[in-house]
Amino acid sequence: QQQVKQSPQSLIVQKGGISIINCAYENTAFDYFPWYQQFPGKGPALLIAIRPDVSEKKEGRFTISFNKSAKQFSLHIMDSQPGDSATYFCAASGGWGKLQFGAGTQVVVTP
Amino acid sequence: NAGVTQTPKFQVLKTGQSMTLQCAQDMNHEYMSWYRQDPGMGLRLIHYSVGAGITDQGEVPNGYNVSRSTTEDFPLRLLSAAPSQTSVYFCASSPPGDTRGGTQYFGPGTRLLVL
Repeated sequence: QQQVKQSPQSLIVQKGGISIINCAYENTAFDYFPWYQQFPGKGPALLIAIRPDVSEKKEGRFTISFNKSAKQFSLHIMDSQPGDSATYFCAASGGWGKLQFGAGTQVVVTP
Repeated sequence: NAGVTQTPKFQVLKTGQSMTLQCAQDMNHEYMSWYRQDPGMGLRLIHYSVGAGITDQGEVPNGYNVSRSTTEDFPLRLLSAAPSQTSVYFCASSPPGDTRGGTQYFGPGTRLLVL
């Protein structure tokens, strides 16, 4: 079964809006939480990542919020642009060979 | 650097055929891994390697073999292809500073169709 649950499956946001993707996990052994961005026909690329001792990390328009007690984390894309249209995967890692991915969220930003 | 390269880009196989998906990286990364991507399933780990001569199974290893004779190359072998192996396959590698295996550099993928 999926160890990292991701929602929503897809979302449509207007240019300039905020995209929010949520993920939840059960395994407390996970200690590194990356997000990957994938464009059609390409491999995923690391976007931003967070460790559980930090509650928030921001890089440009992308922010991860992390709630350790709830075992949840989310990605916020501020001022969404058409170039942000892609599939986003959350992931959780507990060491080598233990990286688990969520099912993915397809984000479409309309002009 | 070319990064992570994969060949072929696309392949059609008949049920029961075997083939090898090639993966190479020129970044001197020790950790390499193979994933399959299916709709609604995210990416699932097939096999991984923490260095030349060392491989281990991931979440969905059945029907696949790997070997790691050099740091650069990590081929994935399908022993007897089945329609359930129709998928997009990604190879990835991690830099030496990544101790948790969470920072992965992905190749462009191989799209496999098994008839």
